[in-house]
This record gives sequence, C-alpha cells and structure tokens, in this order.
Amino acid sequence: GENVEQHPSTLSVQEGDSAVIKCTYSDSASNYFPWYKQELGKRPQLIIDIRSNVGEKKDQRIAVTLNKTAKHFSLHITETQPEDSAVYFCAASTNTGNQFYFGTGTSLTVIP
Amino acid sequence: NAGVTQTPKFRILKIGQSMTLQCAQDMNHNYMYWYRQDPGMGLKLIYYSVGAGITDKGEVPNGYNVSRSTTEDFPLRLELAAPSQTSVYFCASSRTGQYTEAFFGQGTRLTVV
Repeated sequence: GENVEQHPSTLSVQEGDSAVIKCTYSDSASNYFPWYKQELGKRPQLIIDIRSNVGEKKDQRIAVTLNKTAKHFSLHITETQPEDSAVYFCAASTNTGNQFYFGTGTSLTVIP
Repeated sequence: NAGVTQTPKFRILKIGQSMTLQCAQDMNHNYMYWYRQDPGMGLKLIYYSVGAGITDKGEVPNGYNVSRSTTEDFPLRLELAAPSQTSVYFCASSRTGQYTEAFFGQGTRLTVV
C-alpha cells in the first residue's frame, strides 16, 4: 500500500515568518493530495488540496506544490499568525480513491 | 446540517470489555471511514465503506468490526478491548472516493485499562 512520510514532526516559527512542511509518497498511482489542519482537541479539517495534474495551488497565505517525478509535495504558509498553530497532516489517495493515507503530522507553533 | 456525529466523546473500558462507537452523517455521503490517531503516528485507517452493505479493511483492522446497514450510519465495534486499543478514534465521510474532502467527526477518546 501507499506510504506517506512527513517532515518535520515539529516546527516553530516567529509570527510573520514562513513555514514549510514536506511529504513524500511511495505509490505512483496516487493522484490526490489533501492537507488537513487539526487544532488542539478538534477534528481535522481540510485546508487545501491538489490533484496530480497540477503543480501548484494557492489559497491566500497557503500554497501546496507537487513534484510527481520526485513523489513529494509541500505545504507553504506565509506570514504566519498565532492562529496557524496546529497539527498539519498531509495525505495521499489513489485513483481508486477508497483510502486516504496520512502522514504522521507536523506540530506547528507560531511564536508571537 | 450536523455533518459527522460521533458518540461517545470519551469512554473508559476495562480489558476484555466490548463496546460500539457510533458514527452518523447527514450529508448523504457514500464513503465512510474509521481512523485511529495515536501520538506521533498520524491517522491510521481501520475500516472503510463505499456504500451501504459494503465494508473493507484498512491498514489496522485487527480487533475491530464494522457494519454499514444504512448510508447514514457506520458503527465500529471493539470486541475484547486491549490496552493497545487506547487511542482517539475518528469517523469520517466523503461524497465520493476521488478528489473529495473527508469530513471528520469530533472524535472519541477511548482508554482501555
């Protein structure tokens, strides 16, 4: 099955700086890559996603890039704010789409 | 529109006891999933269902069972609880299996002692 690795496991940045979280996947058939944000004690919620036919997608301060050849994708958060502090999970799913495989999560702390 | 609702939110079980975690969604989603979340381990898929009457194993199905008699409900059954099943359990649903957002319930924190 698919194996998704995520780095770093923890990340601290100063408010206003950028944060980058990286994920790799193993199954070349994976074609959908969502990112979820989980605030402390809350449920994971989708923040951005990308399909394999797209190299980059932006939504205000967040962006995701995908390199299919290298099988890695990254989440970029610019101008970080304290409310960005959370655990972020990357995931991958194949074109059969029956399963989402999640990374191990990155705990992001934005220091005011 | 409540989304995905899980009950209970917290539960303490003794070793060897059984229980059912309830999950219901009101979005008419075909796909439903059960995940467990352990510290530093991300979300691991236990079981999933692509529609009423259809279920399949995920990455970590041992010690669990599921059923899907209706589109709305997807209960997870723990038989003979073990300490290794101490975890936070999330139910999720999605409209289809491709390119769609998974909506999560609020989670059930289970402790087996």
